[in-house]
Amino acid sequence: AQSVSQHNHHVILSEAASLELGCNYSYGGTVNLFWYVQYPGQHLQLLLKYFSGDPLVKGIKGFEAEFIKSKFSFNLRKPSVQWSDTAEYFCAVNARDTGRRALTFGSGTRLQVQP
Amino acid sequence: EPEVTQTPSHQVTQMGQEVILRCVPISNHLYFYWYRQILGQKVEFLVSFYNNEISEKSEIFDDQFSVERPDGSNFTLKIRSTKLEDSAMYFCASSLQGANYGYTFGSGTRLTVV
Repeated sequence: AQSVSQHNHHVILSEAASLELGCNYSYGGTVNLFWYVQYPGQHLQLLLKYFSGDPLVKGIKGFEAEFIKSKFSFNLRKPSVQWSDTAEYFCAVNARDTGRRALTFGSGTRLQVQP
Repeated sequence: EPEVTQTPSHQVTQMGQEVILRCVPISNHLYFYWYRQILGQKVEFLVSFYNNEISEKSEIFDDQFSVERPDGSNFTLKIRSTKLEDSAMYFCASSLQGANYGYTFGSGTRLTVV
């Protein structure tokens, strides 16, 4: 079974700082990869997803992620964070070659951006 | 932007009682899901539903749980006899058919079992 590790549980940044959140998964087959964001009191929203093609994926709100297959990683980046990016960020993986559609989530990273 | 709607937003129930959590998926979506998040823990997959039947379920989804799409619009999760450990946020999601899908999640129902 696949698993997802997000090693940074809580990240505190100042506005305009650059962000990189780590995500590693364990699964040897073909995967779909996702990043979701959960703003305080709100539902999970899709930031970006990778299915195939260009391993550098651009999402909403200036976020991007890079799939590095050799490292089983899908790290999330943003060059300059804003206070409004304060939220919890979840990486998720789906084992596409199994035909399953269930997502396996990481434990999340809480991002706190200080003004 | 289309939304997945969940009701109620918060439900408190006594241990042993049955609860039904309701969801209205996006109208042209064909796959429906329930996930849960126990406070402070990961979001966990419970079940997926397609073509009026369960297509996948996790180990969590035991005989106490059931899902139904009674009227072509609502998608419900029933817990027959709630336990304290069922207290969690329950998220409904839906997605299109096809390989290049993405989930849309609802805002969740916080279930508190007392």
